[in-house]
Amino acid sequence: EPEVTQTPSHQVTQMGQEVILRCVPISNHLYFYWYRQILGQKVEFLVSFYNNEISEKSEIFDDQFSVERPDGSNFTLKIRSTKLEDSAMYFCASSPGTGRREQYFGPGTRLTVT
Amino acid sequence: AQSVTQPDIHITVSEGASLELRCNYSYGATPYLFWYVQSPGQGLQLLLKYFSGDTLVQGIKGFEAEFKRSQSSFNLRKPSVHWSDAAEYFCAVGAPGGYQKVTFGIGTKLQVIP
Repeated sequence: EPEVTQTPSHQVTQMGQEVILRCVPISNHLYFYWYRQILGQKVEFLVSFYNNEISEKSEIFDDQFSVERPDGSNFTLKIRSTKLEDSAMYFCASSPGTGRREQYFGPGTRLTVT
Repeated sequence: AQSVTQPDIHITVSEGASLELRCNYSYGATPYLFWYVQSPGQGLQLLLKYFSGDTLVQGIKGFEAEFKRSQSSFNLRKPSVHWSDAAEYFCAVGAPGGYQKVTFGIGTKLQVIP
């Protein structure tokens, strides 16, 4: 069964550094998402992406964040200058579209900012 | 704004016992409703979904959920719990009609004792 994959599984970075989190959504899915979960808190929506542009973003998704689909398979989340409070588990998700609205999640990338 | 309440943060049941996890949502219309499960170190796996129609929906791993509009609830049930069901369970809602974000509850951690 096709799955969403994410790399790396764990990323440690220093405050102020740029990080890129990578995701390979399920092939033929049309909608892509990033969520994050700070330890002990709810899973929060960051951004959705469709047809090569952002379709919705949350207040969390400020100018420090960007997303890109550089080719036909990868979907990336870039954090330009990481802060301590960016430490969280980041989940990528994809949705088939064409009437099917459920989202399928990847295993997550744990980002630790020191 | 849509929101989800899972009143039980932690539940312990004996193996073989029945299970019901509670979920209440707040939304102006009937939203899309989901239950996800997260095992330790794993991503979020979709258990079942409700979009419309029959209010009792069947999912994977023997789970079912019932949508009750009058109570704004979407409780998850399983008649006989297995030790492998120990995990964290998340109820989530999405706006109907599109592919927008999903809003998650805080999660219920299920412990299964022999």
